[in-house]
Amino acid sequence: EAGVTQFPSHSVIEKGQTVTLRCDPISGHDNLYWYRRVMGKEIKFLLHFVKESKQDESGMPNNRFLAERTGGTYSTLKVQPAELEDSGVYFCASSQPIAGELFFGEGSRLTVL
Amino acid sequence: GQQLNQSPQSMFIQEGEDVSMNCTSSSIFNTWLWYKQDPGEGPVLLIALYKAGELTSNGRLTAQFGITRKDSFLNISASIPSDVGIYFCAGQLGGGSQGNLIFGKGTKLSVKP
Repeated sequence: EAGVTQFPSHSVIEKGQTVTLRCDPISGHDNLYWYRRVMGKEIKFLLHFVKESKQDESGMPNNRFLAERTGGTYSTLKVQPAELEDSGVYFCASSQPIAGELFFGEGSRLTVL
Repeated sequence: GQQLNQSPQSMFIQEGEDVSMNCTSSSIFNTWLWYKQDPGEGPVLLIALYKAGELTSNGRLTAQFGITRKDSFLNISASIPSDVGIYFCAGQLGGGSQGNLIFGKGTKLSVKP
């Protein structure tokens, strides 16, 4: 069974540009989460989808970040326009419908120059 | 926001030694989790704790959910080179949405053969 896959693994962009990160959860997992780890700091929750609905987006930093999960399958996280402080590793995780273990992807490393 | 204080930040040990790391918080958690992240990978769940005082083992790993529900520790016995990685504690607050985990900053473990 395929795990959580994320694309790209690494993206380098300039300040002001736009980047879109993609996450494919484990098949059958209704819950999808985005987390972010800024260098040297803790992994922080961004938001939680249940199928296509945003269950909790309390961790989204600001309106430059837009997450979507059309159709309840894969999800995208767009940063527009990117700022220097957006650099970090963005993790996606998914879990079974009811209180299941979170399975993390390998992360997408974003570097904003 | 809520914080988990994880210590130590890093450890350099000899193969065969035992390791201990812990997390504390001023907040009460309903769930404590311990993850390990290998280089280039996402965090993988090692142990989950759901009740105050609970002591759980997974092979050479042992973790406990503190009685006060504000702390947890992870012990690794007889370390081996493949134990190298970053260990994260994570907790879920009472009333928090499922999957909205609060992470510590991680403990980077290096094992010398």
